[in-house]
Amino acid sequence: QKEVEQNSGPLSVPEGAIASLNCTYSDRGSQSFFWYRQYSGKSPELIMFIYSNGDKEDGRFTAQLNKASQYVSLLIRDSQPSDSATYLCAVSVNRDDKIIFGKGTRLHILP
Amino acid sequence: ETGVTQSPTHLIKTRGQQVTLRCSSQSGHNTVSWYQQALGQGPQFIFQYYREEENGRGNFPPRFSGLQFPNYSSELNVNALELDDSALYLCASSFQAGGHTGELFFGEGSRLTVL
Repeated sequence: QKEVEQNSGPLSVPEGAIASLNCTYSDRGSQSFFWYRQYSGKSPELIMFIYSNGDKEDGRFTAQLNKASQYVSLLIRDSQPSDSATYLCAVSVNRDDKIIFGKGTRLHILP
Repeated sequence: ETGVTQSPTHLIKTRGQQVTLRCSSQSGHNTVSWYQQALGQGPQFIFQYYREEENGRGNFPPRFSGLQFPNYSSELNVNALELDDSALYLCASSFQAGGHTGELFFGEGSRLTVL
């Protein structure tokens, strides 16, 4: 079983709609969870991090964490064409603090 | 701008050669992690350095090695290059305290092509 799993997409969402990105992880001891955005040809940039169960909101972005289900999600409200990118879910593995990434979900916002 | 700088940005090597990639971490950060990202894939963890010592390693052979210096900058060395080593190599710095992993800040990467 892969440590961090994401649907590779592409996920197509109309401009102005809500984009929902999902991620599952295998290590129950994981404590830190991150969402990164990566534009084509660029390096990943941090969007949000979440450590506790529940929701965390930052502007148009909301991260959701459910440790019992080993599930992390990212919601993007009022999607803009500039949100078109690959979104990487990342999870810290508790035993030695390394951060493991999923393969990423390609998001395409339709104008 | 993350304050993390990598060099060189692009390089071409031939199979069997050796390469050294360099990274300067963000001011105040004490941990450097290296990742390999093949086209269309997520970053794969190579290893992490904390206080000049390797602190975790991914599923990469020993020909991938690294160093961290007292100023927290770092090098990634790859010996006996193979065609499959062609990828974007990403350096990320973070601040680690009390066993809790801080968020990673990435440099722009070094794109390695092995012919």
